Amino acid sequence: DSGVTQTPKHLITATGQRVTLRCSPRSGDLSVYWYQQSLDQGLQFLIQYYNGEERAKGNILERFSAQQFPDLHSELNLSSLELGDSALYFCASSVAPTGRMDTQYFGPGTRLTVL
Amino acid sequence: KNQVEQSPQSLIILEGKNCTLQCNYTVSPFSNLRWYKQDTGRGPVSLTIMTFSENTKSNGRYTATLDADTKQSSLHITASQLSDSASYICVVNAGSYNTDKLIFGTGTRLQVFP
Repeated sequence: DSGVTQTPKHLITATGQRVTLRCSPRSGDLSVYWYQQSLDQGLQFLIQYYNGEERAKGNILERFSAQQFPDLHSELNLSSLELGDSALYFCASSVAPTGRMDTQYFGPGTRLTVL
Repeated sequence: KNQVEQSPQSLIILEGKNCTLQCNYTVSPFSNLRWYKQDTGRGPVSLTIMTFSENTKSNGRYTATLDADTKQSSLHITASQLSDSASYICVVNAGSYNTDKLIFGTGTRLQVFP
C-alpha cells in the first residue's frame, strides 16, 4: 500500500458526461501528479500541483482540469467525455515540488470507461 | 523530439533465470532516469532513480545501469521470481532545476513462468 488513495475505483459513464476523480496524497506529501494510462499509449503525464498551486503541465486536454485543495487532496475533472478518454487514471504524490530525486508514490488508479 | 524507447516489448523467461531490459532515450536536457515496476491493473512502483553521474544502482535483485554518453539504460533482474511478472517502465525527466518534464517509455512486459 503506497498511502495514496483514489476514488472511485471504477467509473462507467456515457459520452458527453462529466466526471470527477479524487486523490488523497500520502501524509506529508505536498505534490500531486495526475497520469493517464491508455492501453495503446502507456503512461502520460497530465498535470502536477504543489501545495495548492499548479506546478507543471503535460499532455492535458482543455476538457480536463484539476485542482488541489487546502487539505492537499486533489480532484481531476473530465468533461465532454469521449470514447477515447477511457483509461486508467493514476494519481501520484511526493514530498518535493519537483521529482528530481524524489520518489513518486502511485495510487491504485481509477478505471474510467466511457460508453 | 524527446523520446524513450524500450526493448523488448515483451519477454518470457523461466523462474530462476536472469534477464535484462533495455531503455534508449533521446531527451534533452537530462535530469534523471527512473525504472518503475507496474503489476497489471495497479499503480507503478519506483525501483531506482539515477542521475547522469551514476552508472549503476541496485534495489535487491534489480540492478539498473546508465550510460549517459550513449543515452542508454538497462534493468537487470537476477534470479527471477514469479512475482517479477509485470511491466517495467523507463522514465526520463527532461526538466530543469525547478520543473519536471517526464517522458515515459511504453514499457517491457515480463512474464516469468515456473
